Amino acid sequence: AQSVTQLGSHVSVSEGALVLLRCNYSSSVPPYLFWYVQYPNQGLQLLLKYTSAATLVKGINGFEAEFKKSETSFHLTKPSAHMSDAAEYFCAVSGPSGSARQLTFGSGTQLTVLP
Amino acid sequence: EAGVTQFPSHSVIEKGQTVTLRCDPISGHDNLYWYRRVMGKEIKFLLHFVKESKQDESGMPNNRFLAERTGGTYSTLKVQPAELEDSGVYFCASSQRQDRATVTQYFGPGTRLTVL
Repeated sequence: AQSVTQLGSHVSVSEGALVLLRCNYSSSVPPYLFWYVQYPNQGLQLLLKYTSAATLVKGINGFEAEFKKSETSFHLTKPSAHMSDAAEYFCAVSGPSGSARQLTFGSGTQLTVLP
Repeated sequence: EAGVTQFPSHSVIEKGQTVTLRCDPISGHDNLYWYRRVMGKEIKFLLHFVKESKQDESGMPNNRFLAERTGGTYSTLKVQPAELEDSGVYFCASSQRQDRATVTQYFGPGTRLTVL
C-alpha cells in the first residue's frame, strides 16, 4: 500500500521568500513521485517528477524537489516566490517503477503569496 | 496537441437523477484514469482503463457508478442514481504507455458535480 502526507494544508509566504512544501510518502516498492499544481479554475498540471534517476529534480516555473529515500521525503522548493505561484499543490506517488498504475495523492497544500 | 478534455465543466442535478460525464484523452494514449475529489479531501482513484478494458476498478465506490470506454477512445462515467455524497470534482487523466518514459499522467480540467 502507498500513502502520501503533505504537512500543512495552507502555507503563506511573502513574495520573494523561499517556498517549501513538504511531502512524505510511504511505499513498499521503489516509488515514482510527482508534484502537480492546480491554479484556480484549471486542471492539474505536472510540475515535476522523480523516476529513479537524479534525486534532485527540476521542474517548471523554477520549482525543484529532492528525493530523500532515508527520510521518505520529496519536498518541493522554490527560492523566490512569485504572486503567480499562488495555487494548490499536490504530491503524488505511484508504483511500482515502470507501471502505469494509479496515483495516490496527498491532501494538497494551498499556497498563498503575500505582497 | 490537444490535452485531456472533459465535459461538462459543471453539472448540477438533484438527488436521484442520472448524470454522465465524458472524458476525451490525449490522442494515442492507451491508459485512461478517473479520479474524484470530494469536499476538499484527497484526490482519489476510481478506475483505470487500458484501451477499452478495465485494468483496475478498485476505487469505484459502489454499483451506482458505471464507466465505459467503447473503442478505446473517449470514456464516460455515469452516476445513477446520484446521491448527495457524490458531489465533488471528477478528474480524468491519460498516459501513453507503461514504460518509464511515459508514466506521466496528464489531467483534464475536471467536472464539478453538485448533487442537491
